[in-house]
Amino acid sequence: QKEVEQDPGPLSVPEGAIVSLNCTYSNSAFQYFMWYRQYSRKGPELLMYTYSSGNKEDGRFTAQVDKSSKYISLFIRDSQPSDSATYLCAMRNNNAGNMLTFGGGTRLMVKP
Amino acid sequence: DTAVSQTPKYLVTQMGNDKSIKCEQNLGHDTMYWYKQDSKKFLKIMFSYNNKELIINETVPNRFSPKSPDKAHLNLHINSLELGDSAVYFCASSHRPSNVLTFGAGSRLTVL
Repeated sequence: QKEVEQDPGPLSVPEGAIVSLNCTYSNSAFQYFMWYRQYSRKGPELLMYTYSSGNKEDGRFTAQVDKSSKYISLFIRDSQPSDSATYLCAMRNNNAGNMLTFGGGTRLMVKP
Repeated sequence: DTAVSQTPKYLVTQMGNDKSIKCEQNLGHDTMYWYKQDSKKFLKIMFSYNNKELIINETVPNRFSPKSPDKAHLNLHINSLELGDSAVYFCASSHRPSNVLTFGAGSRLTVL
């Protein structure tokens, strides 16, 4: 079992839909939780990050962390075709060389 | 202008050959990384280099060797290439080990 699990998709939604992307993890030592977005043939770029449990909002994006359930989510409101990409969750603790552990990514397609 | 640049973008080579991928960042970051992304999109850390300290992922075969001539450069040399080395290799950098990584566009290696 991988440390971080993510449904690979693809997830196909119509423009304007609310999108929910999720990750589960097994390592309770993770303290920092990130979402990276990767367009085709490009490198990942950081979208949002949160520390410990709670919610964080940035425009159309909301990140949620539930440490008790070892579950994190990214919500996208009013999804746009330009949101079509692979979304990778990533996690880190202060040990293990401070390295990020990534999920396998969920491919999202927003259709006009 | 590119913040993290990798060369070459594409590399096709035969099994058993030795090849190098170069990475340069102009962000003034002091930490650089190599990640491997397989066909299922899993991003796995290979190496992290911070202020001349190399942190090695022990699952990486010793055919892979990073070299950092200075803080702005981290190259990856691969000896005796194998079919399973085919993947996209991403270089990234950050201020100290961090959640906020800036990735390059990737180098797609195909071993025949």
